[in-house]
Amino acid sequence: DIQLTQSPSFLSASVGDRVTITCRASQGISSYLAWYQQKPGKAPKLLIYAASTLQSGVPSRFSGSGSGTEFTLTISSLQPEDFATYYCQQLNSYLPTFGGGTKVEIK
Amino acid sequence: EVQLVESGGGLVKPGGSLRLSCAASGFTFSSYSMNWVRQAPGKGLEWVSSISSSSSYIYYADSVKGRFTISRDNAKNSLYLQMNSLRAEDTAVYYCARRETYYDSSGYEVVWFDPWGQGTLVTVSS
Repeated sequence: DIQLTQSPSFLSASVGDRVTITCRASQGISSYLAWYQQKPGKAPKLLIYAASTLQSGVPSRFSGSGSGTEFTLTISSLQPEDFATYYCQQLNSYLPTFGGGTKVEIK
Repeated sequence: EVQLVESGGGLVKPGGSLRLSCAASGFTFSSYSMNWVRQAPGKGLEWVSSISSSSSYIYYADSVKGRFTISRDNAKNSLYLQMNSLRAEDTAVYYCARRETYYDSSGYEVVWFDPWGQGTLVTVSS
């Protein structure tokens, strides 16, 4: 199985900060990676697919990059509604896996 | 509006069984592969199982293989997860999610999960 390692697992930031989350795959997955946002008690929400394609309706302050084994999710200017947990997911195989998550909290 | 609504969760004793359902609306259910994903309390997301649009292809995580069975009824726009021999570690919120896909310029299939249902809680405890 392909393992995904997210870093950091916890991040404390202020409104307006630029935030970067990294996701590393145990083997190359081309660009077959998605990013999700999850708020407490809610279902995950798709932000980005194919590593860098922004889902319709998602604010442009979110962006994704990378290919192969290293990927990043960047929030250019953190907003109050962005405090949540973020997960990467690989879909390179028929057995998709998720990263362990990055919780973004208010400093 | 595209919507997925799970039901069937509850409290069950170790070794017991439970059947989850996911009702789909707002899209042509029979055209999409579907998935179950779970989240233990305070933990991350874990993919559980997937089923293709015509039920021809079915996959399971090793953690549930041999105990869980995924199925669907396209006439009823419904997805199911039959869970047997339940263990304490199966305690989680279970989400159903639609598999979206397109083929990129290289001919490879790009996949993502969207939308997700609101989830149903399964608690395995004596």
